[in-house]
Amino acid sequence: DQQVKQNSPSLSVQEGRISILNCDYTNSMFDYFLWYKKYPAEGPTFLISISSIKDKNEDGRFTVFLNKSAKHLSLHIVPSQPGDSAVYFCAASALSSGSARQLTFGSGTQLTVLP
Amino acid sequence: KAGVTQTPRYLIKTRGQQVTLSCSPISGHRSVSWYQQTPGQGLQFLFEYFSETQRNKGNFPGRFSGRQFSNSRSEMNVSTLELGDSALYLCASSPAGFKDTQYFGPGTRLTVL
Repeated sequence: DQQVKQNSPSLSVQEGRISILNCDYTNSMFDYFLWYKKYPAEGPTFLISISSIKDKNEDGRFTVFLNKSAKHLSLHIVPSQPGDSAVYFCAASALSSGSARQLTFGSGTQLTVLP
Repeated sequence: KAGVTQTPRYLIKTRGQQVTLSCSPISGHRSVSWYQQTPGQGLQFLFEYFSETQRNKGNFPGRFSGRQFSNSRSEMNVSTLELGDSALYLCASSPAGFKDTQYFGPGTRLTVL
């Protein structure tokens, strides 16, 4: 039972354009969401997070949008750069319950930014 | 500040053996979590330690265990290794609070033959 789903295993985008990565979740207890980026042979690197009390959080080129009614979040990267090419994971946790420190990850989306 | 370090980076074992993996968190971080990454299952939560106590546990068999020392360093042990235990094992640390971001180490690649 996948509680966090990333339905697109891969995405290719031209340099300078917008990259949109999507993530859906099923567990209504999730109230904190994160995006991580992972290069081969390295651990995931934290990018940006959002609490369920917000619907948008922005950090430089990265913006995360949360639609609680649809149980959907997305990561926008503008403008995309070749160095952004990596696997992107969305993750969720339930801060309000005892499993606050347990991150549930999606399966990842390989983003390729073409020069 | 130095990041999360994990040793060893690569490990090859045979079925039935046991293995111990080590994780040193970022200085000042008191929470250490462990995750298993496999191609089929993605990243899955194993357990979390805080102040030498297991605070949270995922759905893994009892062959997977861990501990945390007073300096916050953590070890993970897998006994009676199975072929399916071949994976990248990732350790993540965070200061302590529930909203603290977890920072990951590079992982230990375990291969079971």
